[in-house]
Amino acid sequence: GENVEQHPSTLSVQEGDSAVIKCTYSDSASNYFPWYKQELGKRPQLIIDIRSNVGEKKDQRIAVTLNKTAKHFSLHITETQPEDSAVYFCAAPNQAGTALIFGKGTTLSVSS
Amino acid sequence: NAGVTQTPKFQVLKTGQSMTLQCAQDMNHNSMYWYRQDPGMGLRLIYYSASEGTTDKGEVPNGYNVSRLNKREFSLRLESAAPSQTSVYFCASSGRQVLQPQHFGDGTRLSIL
Repeated sequence: GENVEQHPSTLSVQEGDSAVIKCTYSDSASNYFPWYKQELGKRPQLIIDIRSNVGEKKDQRIAVTLNKTAKHFSLHITETQPEDSAVYFCAAPNQAGTALIFGKGTTLSVSS
Repeated sequence: NAGVTQTPKFQVLKTGQSMTLQCAQDMNHNSMYWYRQDPGMGLRLIYYSASEGTTDKGEVPNGYNVSRLNKREFSLRLESAAPSQTSVYFCASSGRQVLQPQHFGDGTRLSIL
């Protein structure tokens, strides 16, 4: 079936530390994996995405890695700052490849 | 350029009432989506429309209907609202390829008493 598992559900780090959030997916044919950031009371916003023909993608302090064999992908945030505090969602395509299924989210808290 | 616009932003209904949530996008996107967001449950797909004239069920379609009125507009209807439908509803759209990044609206906070 279609399933996206996201861990951990909550993550607390000190400012300057790194944060890693991991997602696993069930459909081996999946080929697109975005990450969204949602601040309290706001809409989800795309922060980075990766397609299955690459293993890693970086954008300044954030990176996403993909392991197709193990069917998991991870979000890495380095040098965390208080403004990184938010809920982060991963997503993967449904079996039909027509819509995105989201993980349940990770609440990241960065304390200064 | 407004992106994805949802109306209303807030609504309180009584059990059994009906309501239509409106969504419009001005990015000429083919695909549109309705999600609901509940605490601890993340974003769950209700219905989606891969192109004008088509609609498909998502993970949690029961109790909802949708209409893709034209390329810009995708509405969500609750025919007989139930307390279990209390949630925040997000509309989203994506570009020429179905799985292009999704752009979300600001959400509709719906409470059913």
